[in-house]
Amino acid sequence: KQEVTQIPAALSVPEGENLVLNCSFTDSAIYNLQWFRQDPGKGLTSLLLIQSSQREQTSGRLNASLDKSSGRSTLYIAASQPGDSATYLCAGGWGAGGTSYGKLTFGQGTILTVHP
Amino acid sequence: DAGVTQSPTHLIKTRGQQVTLRCSPKSGHDTVSWYQQALGQGPQFIFQYYEEEERQRGNFPDRFSGHQFPNYSSELNVNALLLGDSALYLCASSRNGVRHGYTFGSGTRLTVV
Repeated sequence: KQEVTQIPAALSVPEGENLVLNCSFTDSAIYNLQWFRQDPGKGLTSLLLIQSSQREQTSGRLNASLDKSSGRSTLYIAASQPGDSATYLCAGGWGAGGTSYGKLTFGQGTILTVHP
Repeated sequence: DAGVTQSPTHLIKTRGQQVTLRCSPKSGHDTVSWYQQALGQGPQFIFQYYEEEERQRGNFPDRFSGHQFPNYSSELNVNALLLGDSALYLCASSRNGVRHGYTFGSGTRLTVV
């Protein structure tokens, strides 16, 4: 059974700090891993998508890595800003029965607060 | 280019009633998945539709059903609503295959009283 776990559940940092959010998963046969941002009461905004053949992806101040052998992904946020405050979710895609389609399995999320 | 559109944004229903939620996928996407997100939890997969058929289903009772139309839009129906069905319902679209990643809508907030 594929499971995704995120640590910590909540994180509070001062503005300007670099930070790392952690995501672990139980099945190394992952197709891809996607990081999302969710503002309170809102939908999910995709931040980064890492394919199983890739080690990392970067977008602006965000960098996500994927290590299939250890079952880990990290989201690095540089020079954090109050506007980065949100819940960050990671989700793994494993396909279904060897096919390339299937559900995403989500972690519980990390609630990030960046205070001025 | 419009992303994923969901309607309505909010609704309140009484226990035992039925509800229909709607989703229009992002342009160029042909696969629609539905997720339920309870407060403080990660989204849970309900089912996925492709070529107008349910292709994969999560651990949800038969009270949850869906449909996909020829234009790829989709509906989620929930019968005999329970208080525990109160949640944010998210629609996600993709081009056939999880490898392409998913685009999510803003969700429908369902409250059952």
